[in-house]
Amino acid sequence: AQRVTQPEKLLSVFKGAPVELKCNYSYSGSPELFWYVQYSRQRLQLLLRHISRESIKGFTADLNKGETSFHLKKPFAQEEDSAMYYCALNHGSSNTGKLIFGQGTTLQVKP
Amino acid sequence: DAGITQSPRHKVTETGTPVTLRCHQTENHRYMYWYRQDPGHGLRLIHYSYGVKDTDKGEVSDGYSVSRSKTEDFLLTLESATSSQTSVYFCAISGPAGALAGELFFGEGSRLTVL
Repeated sequence: AQRVTQPEKLLSVFKGAPVELKCNYSYSGSPELFWYVQYSRQRLQLLLRHISRESIKGFTADLNKGETSFHLKKPFAQEEDSAMYYCALNHGSSNTGKLIFGQGTTLQVKP
Repeated sequence: DAGITQSPRHKVTETGTPVTLRCHQTENHRYMYWYRQDPGHGLRLIHYSYGVKDTDKGEVSDGYSVSRSKTEDFLLTLESATSSQTSVYFCAISGPAGALAGELFFGEGSRLTVL
């Protein structure tokens, strides 16, 4: 079955500490994976996608097919990173946005 | 923000009453989606549309119907609301043709409480 798992409901770190938000997936095909973020009082928005191999706001995520993981990392957390983060898997055709989302992880960055 | 508006933004209703949520876009995008957001479940796809009058079910479609008579509007209807449908509902649209799949633009959400 296709599934996305984010094992941590809440991750609390101090400013300047490294951050890793975990995401594991189950998918029989070639996965397309994404991280979405929802800041307080803002819309849910795309943070990054694995295919682009980019760094956005200091965050990176590497697809590890052997471990079926797509963890989100940032070396030094900032207070403005506090938000809800969702890992998502595209299980539709290449033209659709039929995403399976994980349960979400709330990142709390303390001063 | 992409031109997506949802209405109503907040609604309280009673069990057994019909409810319709509206999603309106000004981007002329082909694909539109309805997701619900619940603690412990993340976002789950209810229904989606790939064109006018073309819709299909998502993973949690029971108890919901949709309609799309115009490119810009995608309606979600709860024929007879139940307490289990208390949730935050998000409309989303896909990017334009040629854009990378999986990039969704979301509305602000509609919080529905069924008493």
